[in-house]
Amino acid sequence: DVKVTQSSRYLVKRTGEKVFLECVQDMDHENMFWYRQDPGLGLRLIYFSYDVKMKEKGDIPEGYSVSREKKERFSLILESASTNQTSMYLCASSSPGGDSGANVLTFGAGSRLTVL
Amino acid sequence: GESVGLHLPTLSVQEGDNSIINCAYSNSASDYFIWYKQESGKGPQFIIDIRSNMDKRQGQRVTVLLNKTVKHLSLQIAATQPGDSAVYFCAENSRSYTGNQFYFGTGTSLTVIP
Repeated sequence: DVKVTQSSRYLVKRTGEKVFLECVQDMDHENMFWYRQDPGLGLRLIYFSYDVKMKEKGDIPEGYSVSREKKERFSLILESASTNQTSMYLCASSSPGGDSGANVLTFGAGSRLTVL
Repeated sequence: GESVGLHLPTLSVQEGDNSIINCAYSNSASDYFIWYKQESGKGPQFIIDIRSNMDKRQGQRVTVLLNKTVKHLSLQIAATQPGDSAVYFCAENSRSYTGNQFYFGTGTSLTVIP
């Protein structure tokens, strides 16, 4: 069964701490994504990557950075965590898979981050 | 970015009834539309997709309808079961020069009443 694994399900950090959220996929997908999920706002794209060492900003990149040193691993970094970054973070990878031809995102279970 | 939204944030249906979840979109250039289901404590899971040049697709107990004239997408679930209780997201998939882009709506929470 294909998988996207997020190493931390729940994290509690203090304001100003550096936070690493790790994501690994075992499907050999080129495309990987980080989303943030907040009630009433849906899923918002933070960063994505189409290849190793390649990254593109999404809709809300401020306060975040990413790292893709290996194809299977895509890390989200909060350089100095703030309380407004308390949220659910979802990692995904994509590949063709829809019966109509759409690329399909496979998501991890999410990492719930609380910043105090 | 593109706007993909939902008409209702919550929906309650009796077990066995049909459910209809609606979604509006604004980008006429979208290539595909996709429905995802997110159960509590899990990431969203793919349900069904439809290409923008189609108006209907059927899967197992689900049907997606696309009305490009009014930019409206719906997901119909037949004979709704307790296991269908979840948050449902519509998403737009556009192929762009940078690759694939996905834009999500805000979600509708479906509750199935036994």
